[in-house]
Amino acid sequence: DGGITQSPKYLFRKEGQNVTLSCEQNLNHDAMYWYRQDPGQGLRLIYYSQIVNDFQKGDIAEGYSVSREKKESFPLTVTSAQKNPTAFYLCASSNTGRNNIYFGEGSWLTVV
Amino acid sequence: QQQVKQSPQSLIVQKGGISIINCAYENTAFDYFPWYQQFPGKGPALLIAIRPDVSEKKEGRFTISFNKSAKQFSLHIMDSQPGDSATYFCAASTRRTGNQFYFGTGTSLTVIP
Repeated sequence: DGGITQSPKYLFRKEGQNVTLSCEQNLNHDAMYWYRQDPGQGLRLIYYSQIVNDFQKGDIAEGYSVSREKKESFPLTVTSAQKNPTAFYLCASSNTGRNNIYFGEGSWLTVV
Repeated sequence: QQQVKQSPQSLIVQKGGISIINCAYENTAFDYFPWYQQFPGKGPALLIAIRPDVSEKKEGRFTISFNKSAKQFSLHIMDSQPGDSATYFCAASTRRTGNQFYFGTGTSLTVIP
């Protein structure tokens, strides 16, 4: 079944901890993205990657880090430097040359 | 700077009515305009999309109207149903920036039975 798998669905973080959100896609897409969505708000781009071993900062990259060691994987680390990390995080992917972007089911991160 | 501006922020429509959501953009390099539907706690899903070489695209009860000269596009939901209650996002993209997508701020649609 092709798609984008995000895990975990729910994650709780203590103050000062780093946490990593997983994103895996089996769509053979070149590009992958991470968005943050706050309640009642739009989608804000954190990082995106067009190709393996390369990624660019989006509009709100501070306090986040990513890696793209494999085409199908694009994990996002929320570091302790992110002061307000409680949000819904969405991973997405698209294929270069085609315009559709596909989203995973999202991960809820809550700071406790 | 918001590349795509969306309105209204929220919309309440009676069952059977027409829901209309509007978006505007500035970058004339945009060459693809999709709409996404998002239910609570889920990721957005592609609903319908249009390219600037056509003025209208219809899929079932959903229609995109596109006005290239005004740099505006809108989503019309005919015969709105309670199951259409969701958040809708317009977006724009261009191959010139490596398929980076720019999203509107979203419209929360509630269809009252």
